[in-house]
Amino acid sequence: GENVEQHPSTLSVQEGDSAVIKCTYSDSASNYFPWYKQELGKRPQLIIDIRSNVGEKKDQRIAVTLNKTAKHFSLHITETQPEDSAVYFCAARERLTGGGNKLTFGTGTQLKVEL
Amino acid sequence: NAGVTQTPKFRVLKTGQSMTLLCAQDMNHEYMYWYRQDPGMGLRLIHYSVGEGTTAKGEVPDGYNVSRLKKQNFLLGLESAAPSQTSVYFCAIGGGRFNEQFFGPGTRLTVL
Repeated sequence: GENVEQHPSTLSVQEGDSAVIKCTYSDSASNYFPWYKQELGKRPQLIIDIRSNVGEKKDQRIAVTLNKTAKHFSLHITETQPEDSAVYFCAARERLTGGGNKLTFGTGTQLKVEL
Repeated sequence: NAGVTQTPKFRVLKTGQSMTLLCAQDMNHEYMYWYRQDPGMGLRLIHYSVGEGTTAKGEVPDGYNVSRLKKQNFLLGLESAAPSQTSVYFCAIGGGRFNEQFFGPGTRLTVL
């Protein structure tokens, strides 16, 4: 099955700086890579995703890059703000032989944006 | 996310008790999932369903059972709760046009 590793586990940046979170996956058949943001006590929220036919995707201050050959993908947050403080999870999706699909998640990165 | 609800929001059980968690969706998505979230371990898949009447095991299925008798509902059962099952449980749905996965609000379960 799929295995997803995520680094770092904690990340502290100054407001206005950039933050980068990296993930690697093991199954070359995985074709979809979402990122979720989870604030304390809340549910994970999908913030951006990338499909395997695309190398980079941007949405305002966040971007995701994918390197299929190396099997790694990254989340980039520019001009960080205090409200970006949260736990971020990467995931990789694999198709199931019986139909459907499932996500395998990384263990999360606690991002803290300091004033 | 408004289309996925979980019942109850909180529950405290004693060891050996049983309970059922309900996940309900009104988005007509085919796929439904149950995860547990523990500190430092991310989200781990317990069981999932790719359609009405189907269920399958995920990464950590032991001690849990599921049923999906109706497309809109996915039930997670604990037959004999153990302290190791203290966790936050999230239901998720998947499918739709872009095949994205959305989470419910979660159930915080404590087993004493």
